[in-house]
Amino acid sequence: ETGVTQTPRHLVMGMTNKKSLKCEQHLGHNAMYWYKQSAKKPLELMFVYSLEERVENNSVPSRFSPECPNSSHLFLHLHTLQPEDSALYLCASSQDRFDRLNTEAFFGQGTRLTVV
Amino acid sequence: GENVEQHPSTLSVQEGDSAVIKCTYSDSASNYFPWYKQELGKGPQLIIDIRSNVGEKKDQRIAVTLNKTAKHFSLHITETQPEDSAVYFCAASLMDSNYQLIWGAGTKLIIKP
Repeated sequence: ETGVTQTPRHLVMGMTNKKSLKCEQHLGHNAMYWYKQSAKKPLELMFVYSLEERVENNSVPSRFSPECPNSSHLFLHLHTLQPEDSALYLCASSQDRFDRLNTEAFFGQGTRLTVV
Repeated sequence: GENVEQHPSTLSVQEGDSAVIKCTYSDSASNYFPWYKQELGKGPQLIIDIRSNVGEKKDQRIAVTLNKTAKHFSLHITETQPEDSAVYFCAASLMDSNYQLIWGAGTKLIIKP
């Protein structure tokens, strides 16, 4: 186990549904990330939070809405998604956003999302 | 912006043989290059990394080499074992900037018994 837990592991939702993905880490890390992983494509960074403040939003559609209520929890709220949004959504954390020494990112197991 | 190309997309080797995965990057200012391994049903996990002030780093059966002039870096796995079967991702980052990792598309490594 990496210390980063994601729930649910699998999610099937209709295009009109609203759902949320949850990520939790108890590693004492200050930075948390959402990534989208599609088959045979590079990991796509979606959002970055540092000390509970969103510091990066990589042109992600507004139907994806992140929330970081505290340094241990990260949510991704989903609303009116499209079939092309089906993918594995990975959460990760690292010690700090700009820490040159502690650079390792710890990933959760991901949520396999299918939009029907 | 930075771009990372990774080859091959699939690599099949006989157990006990060596495997080499190569990545090229576009931004000559990049100075941090990690490799992550993703097993089935799990998230990626860091296995080795290298910074631009060294040319090679080794950890037991895995090693990474960096050629800054050619802007490419490679992962070498020797004496491959069944548990090495996974998808491997390379990445590049400029550590003095926003530490955003730019990822390769991944290599599926298959170890044949």
